[in-house]
Amino acid sequence: GNSVTQMEGPVTLSEEAFLTINCTYTATGYPSLFWYVQYPGEGLQLLLKATKADDKGSNKGFEATYRKETTSFHLEKGSVQVSDSAVYFCALSTGTASKLTFGTGTRLQVTL
Amino acid sequence: NAGVTQTPKFQVLKTGQSMTLQCAQDMNHEYMSWYRQDPGMGLRLIHYSVGAGITDQGEVPNGYNVSRSTTEDFPLRLLSAAPSQTSVYFCATNSRGTYEQYFGPGTRLTVT
Repeated sequence: GNSVTQMEGPVTLSEEAFLTINCTYTATGYPSLFWYVQYPGEGLQLLLKATKADDKGSNKGFEATYRKETTSFHLEKGSVQVSDSAVYFCALSTGTASKLTFGTGTRLQVTL
Repeated sequence: NAGVTQTPKFQVLKTGQSMTLQCAQDMNHEYMSWYRQDPGMGLRLIHYSVGAGITDQGEVPNGYNVSRSTTEDFPLRLLSAAPSQTSVYFCATNSRGTYEQYFGPGTRLTVT
């Protein structure tokens, strides 16, 4: 079956620090990969996606590259802001877009 | 447009009580899904629907029923609540052929 493994949080960084959140997956077939973000008290929002190997998804300064050889989709940002504080979820889909498999989430706290 | 709305925002039930969590969307999306979010477990798919009159089970369907009589509404029913169903419930929608799911704000349910 499908599964997603994320690094445990919380991750605490100072503003302008470099961010990496690791994500690896196992999947049957050829998955599409996603990062979703959840701000406090809200539902999830799609942050970025990649649908095939070597694709790079990017949005709001965040990037992630679909690495088939290492089954990974690590999230990176060069300079985090306090407003980036949220929970980040890695997810995949191998079939209908309604069936997402999520990781456990990584809480990011950015301080001044 | 309201997007995806969920009611109620908060609910406390006693063991054995029944209730319906409401989800409505005005985005004309074909696909709708219900997830539960538990600490350390990410989001898990309960049930999903690919169109009016069509529903299917996700990863954790036991104890929950759904129906989809219209494109707009996708209620989730708990017939006999149990403490193990204490969770935050999210409804999500997406259009056929696309991967971006749009999430509602969630319903926090406590079963005592």
